Amino acid sequence: EPEVTQTPSHQVTQMGQEVILRCVPISNHLYFYWYRQILGQKVEFLVSFYNNEISEKSEIFDDQFSVERPDGSNFTLKIRSTKLEDSAMYFCASSARSGGTDTQYFGPGTRLTVL
Amino acid sequence: GDSVTQMEGPVTLSEEAFLTINCTYTATGYPSLFWYVQYPGEGLQLLLKATKADDKGSNKGFEATYRKETTSFHLEKGSVQVSDSAVYFCGISQGGSEKLVFGKGTKLTVNP
Repeated sequence: EPEVTQTPSHQVTQMGQEVILRCVPISNHLYFYWYRQILGQKVEFLVSFYNNEISEKSEIFDDQFSVERPDGSNFTLKIRSTKLEDSAMYFCASSARSGGTDTQYFGPGTRLTVL
Repeated sequence: GDSVTQMEGPVTLSEEAFLTINCTYTATGYPSLFWYVQYPGEGLQLLLKATKADDKGSNKGFEATYRKETTSFHLEKGSVQVSDSAVYFCGISQGGSEKLVFGKGTKLTVNP
């Protein structure tokens, strides 16, 4: 069964450093998402991406965050200057059609630890 | 904005016990409702969904019915197994928005 994959599984970085989290969505999907889960809290939506542009973003997704689909298979989340409070599990997801009505398929997550 | 409230955990049951995890939502219009499950070390997997009032989603012995009048989508299973131990997330989405809104998750542990 096709699945969403994410790398790395765990990333440790120093505060102020840039990190790039990588995702390979399911191959025929057109909509891509990032969510995050701070330990003990809800899974929160960050951003959705369709047709090479951001289609929706949350208040959390400020200027330090960016997303990109650099080629036909990868989808990345960049955090420009990490803060301690960015420590969380980051999940990538994809769907064939708009996520408002279609099922979103999630990857296993990348645990980001900012020291 | 839209929100989801689900039963606080953790929940610990013996094998073959009956499971209910409560979920209520606040949303305008007619959202789609989901239950996702997260097994240890894995990502969220869709367990079941319902897209309109009175629909029943079901999968792997789990069921949930979309109750518009009570804005609820409670998850039930008649006889849990040790392999059902996981974290369960209730979620909603709206047409016209891309995002899923989740509850906090309920950790279920089933003992032999």
